[in-house]
Amino acid sequence: DADVTQTPRNRITKTGKRIMLECSQTKGHDRMYWYRQDPGLGLRLIYYSFDVKDINKGEISDGYSVSRQAQAKFSLSLESAIPNQTALYFCATSDSSGTSGNNEQFFGPGTRLTVL
Amino acid sequence: KQEVTQIPAALSVPEGENLVLNCSFTDSAIYNLQWFRQDPGKGLTSLLLIQSSQREQTSGRLNASLDKSSGRSTLYIAASQPGDSATYLCAVRDSSYKLIFGSGTRLLVRP
Repeated sequence: DADVTQTPRNRITKTGKRIMLECSQTKGHDRMYWYRQDPGLGLRLIYYSFDVKDINKGEISDGYSVSRQAQAKFSLSLESAIPNQTALYFCATSDSSGTSGNNEQFFGPGTRLTVL
Repeated sequence: KQEVTQIPAALSVPEGENLVLNCSFTDSAIYNLQWFRQDPGKGLTSLLLIQSSQREQTSGRLNASLDKSSGRSTLYIAASQPGDSATYLCAVRDSSYKLIFGSGTRLLVRP
């Protein structure tokens, strides 16, 4: 089973709709991240969470919100989707301690979101 | 503001060739640098992570080097194979634990 899972894997929606993307991890990591990737570009950070009570904005947080429901779950919401939010969305996790104290990030398979 | 650049944007080589992918960054105050592989429609797979105090890391046919003072990293792939075809991304981690990504090098290894 995959350590970092994302649902749904693909989603097509219309402008103005509310969308939630979910991420779950079984790695026991404390830190979780949401990124978006646009064609031909690298990943850009939307939000990150260092623990359940710690949520931080990333580079491009406008139009997005997040919820860290548990250490293993981190969801991303688009309150009113717009076409320029069409992108590939990735969730990632990292461990702030232990043998992987270098904070190496591990990524989920991605969610392809299309906003019409 | 940290910026990460990868050159070339695309590369096509015949099978068996040794090749080098380049990554440069503008701020040398990094914590570490990570190289990822991305297959079409799929997530990122971590290939190598180099701590700021290290000069290189090796995994199989892959070797990554880091020169912090010049703001450069290279990923060397020996004896390339068609299965190496993918997009390769580098990312630097700053002191706030965030990763800043380059836009990637799209590699095609021709049989």
